[in-house]
Amino acid sequence: LAKTTQPISMDSYEGQEVNITCSHNNIATNDYITWYQQFPSQGPRFIIQGYKTKVTNEVASLFIPADRKSSTLSLPRVSLSDTAVYYCLVGDGFKTIFGAGTRLFVKA
Amino acid sequence: DVKVTQSSRYLVKRTGEKVFLECVQDMDHENMFWYRQDPGLGLRLIYFSYDVKMKEKGDIPEGYSVSREKKERFSLILESASTNQTSMYLCASSPRDRSGNTIYFGEGSWLTVV
Repeated sequence: LAKTTQPISMDSYEGQEVNITCSHNNIATNDYITWYQQFPSQGPRFIIQGYKTKVTNEVASLFIPADRKSSTLSLPRVSLSDTAVYYCLVGDGFKTIFGAGTRLFVKA
Repeated sequence: DVKVTQSSRYLVKRTGEKVFLECVQDMDHENMFWYRQDPGLGLRLIYFSYDVKMKEKGDIPEGYSVSREKKERFSLILESASTNQTSMYLCASSPRDRSGNTIYFGEGSWLTVV
């Protein structure tokens, strides 16, 4: 199973773009990269998933370099409601392990 | 929308009691998971199941067992609850396909063992 490493915490201000990078040096060929968001007292919620290059949806963008050893979640123009913990997952979905996540705090 | 429903949102049980946490998903997903989440420790995988009657240990299976008699239902059992099992428990499901990391979570069950 590929292990992931993310920053423990990040601070930002409303309206800024936030980039959270995840390292996964031993990612396997079949592994997908998936990001989740979790608010207090709730289950994690799927944000975005990718395999290579760039993926964009209405919430975020995911950038994956050619070697796939890292990925960057980009949140455009964050608001106070984006304050949450963000998890990066790597795997094929069979036995899914969560890392510690990145606690993002958005200030006014 | 996928729905993962956990039967109890808040429970208080006594030490030594047998506790059942029930989870049902409505998307015909093959994979189902039980995690617990504690402050500062993130989500830890207890057990998962990739098919009916199949189960695999996660990282912290001690003190727990599971049951999957039907595809849509995955139960977590605490045979003899202890205070160190006070936690939030999260059930989840995912499809068995190339994007199997698309995991859908329930709202969580807060268990307090006194």
